[in-house]
Amino acid sequence: DTAVSQTPKYLVTQMGNDKSIKCEQNLGHDTMYWYKQDSKKFLKIMFSYNNKELIINETVPNRFSPKSPDKAHLNLHINSLELGDSAVYFCASSQVVFLAVYQETQYFGPGTRLLVL
Amino acid sequence: ELKVEQNPLFLSMQEGKNYTIYCNYSTTSDRLYWYRQDPGKSLESLFVLLSNGAVKQEGRLMASLDTKARLSTLHITAAVHDLSATYFCAAPSGAGSYQLTFGKGTKLSVIP
Repeated sequence: DTAVSQTPKYLVTQMGNDKSIKCEQNLGHDTMYWYKQDSKKFLKIMFSYNNKELIINETVPNRFSPKSPDKAHLNLHINSLELGDSAVYFCASSQVVFLAVYQETQYFGPGTRLLVL
Repeated sequence: ELKVEQNPLFLSMQEGKNYTIYCNYSTTSDRLYWYRQDPGKSLESLFVLLSNGAVKQEGRLMASLDTKARLSTLHITAAVHDLSATYFCAAPSGAGSYQLTFGKGTKLSVIP
């Protein structure tokens, strides 16, 4: 019973192609994220949506476009893929909870390993 | 802009030994998160530290938070091979922030 799922797990494609990665969470969380993890394991936030509204949009190329059809889904579409896009892309979700202090534990999906040839 | 720095970035230690991973963050935060990532796998939440002086323990791992020093530590006691993984700390950008800033990760290898 996967909490945060992503498809596909692996994606091998040619430069210049357009591809999409899908993410779904069944935790009832309001907020979802896309992260990119490069070959050195550095984890960088790309986008975040809260209740289908874009709230974080870090400096990423315009070729990357997130879409959130509802708060349980956040998809990532990438146009004109480049070699440098090869990485692992993680989706995550969280629910900000205030119980004396804020808490915002993020739950990560299994990752999508993208290889651009 | 919040910066989160971990050290060391690479750690090779023998089974049975103790060691500490450090996580410094640059702006005030009253909470800190630790994650574990096994090779080829996703990130898994390890500890959530929600106040100054918070200490959490699970098995051979113990995490603590000193908000005044802006420092969290992850202490490993009597390391075993199963602890080999990359450990990330993360801090929120501000009160009620949706964003976590992650450190670069500490790759731990426990050798016999």
